[in-house]
Amino acid sequence: DAGVIQSPRHEVTEMGQEVTLRCKPISGHDYLFWYRQTMMRGLELLIYFNNNVPIDDSGMPEDRFSAKMPNASFSTLKIQPSEPRDSAVYFCASSTWTGTGELFFGEGSRLTVL
Amino acid sequence: DQQVKQNSPSLSVQEGRISILNCDYTNSMFDYFLWYKKYPAEGPTFLISISSIKDKNEDGRFTVFLNKSAKHLSLHIVPSQPGDSAVYFCAADYTGTASKLTFGTGTRLQVTL
Repeated sequence: DAGVIQSPRHEVTEMGQEVTLRCKPISGHDYLFWYRQTMMRGLELLIYFNNNVPIDDSGMPEDRFSAKMPNASFSTLKIQPSEPRDSAVYFCASSTWTGTGELFFGEGSRLTVL
Repeated sequence: DQQVKQNSPSLSVQEGRISILNCDYTNSMFDYFLWYKKYPAEGPTFLISISSIKDKNEDGRFTVFLNKSAKHLSLHIVPSQPGDSAVYFCAADYTGTASKLTFGTGTRLQVTL
């Protein structure tokens, strides 16, 4: 079975540019999460969706960040305009509640904003 | 404000010995706790979880202990193996569906030969 697929794996861009990160969750999972990992703050939840509907975006740092889930098999996280402090690894994860709380993470997208 | 804290950024243990990773939390609403393991260039993978109605959960070499009064949980790995070398994150939740996990900053475990 394919796991959570994220693209791109690495992105280097210049400040002010638009960045779009993509995620394909595991088929059948009804939750999708976007996390950001930094050295200082660890893994932070940015936003999560349930059945394609955004439920909680309180972790989205600023209006420059937006996320969409147009269908059950695709989600995007967009940063416009990007800033150097956005440099981090962004993880997408999906799940369905089975009693263990297991989230399945993608391999992450490492973003560097120069 | 870190609601889930892993105060040891790194830990080194000899192969065959016990590894003990610690985690503290401040939010009394948390009622479900999880441990994830992360290898370099990979996403975190689920290891073990525990509900607040229990104080211990065991899965093979991995045991998680929960002390609610102290707001403290620990992960024990016995015996430790070189393949256990990774970053370990503890996480906590209050939603009942693990839909809003709060993670700690991680502890890097190195198991030496």
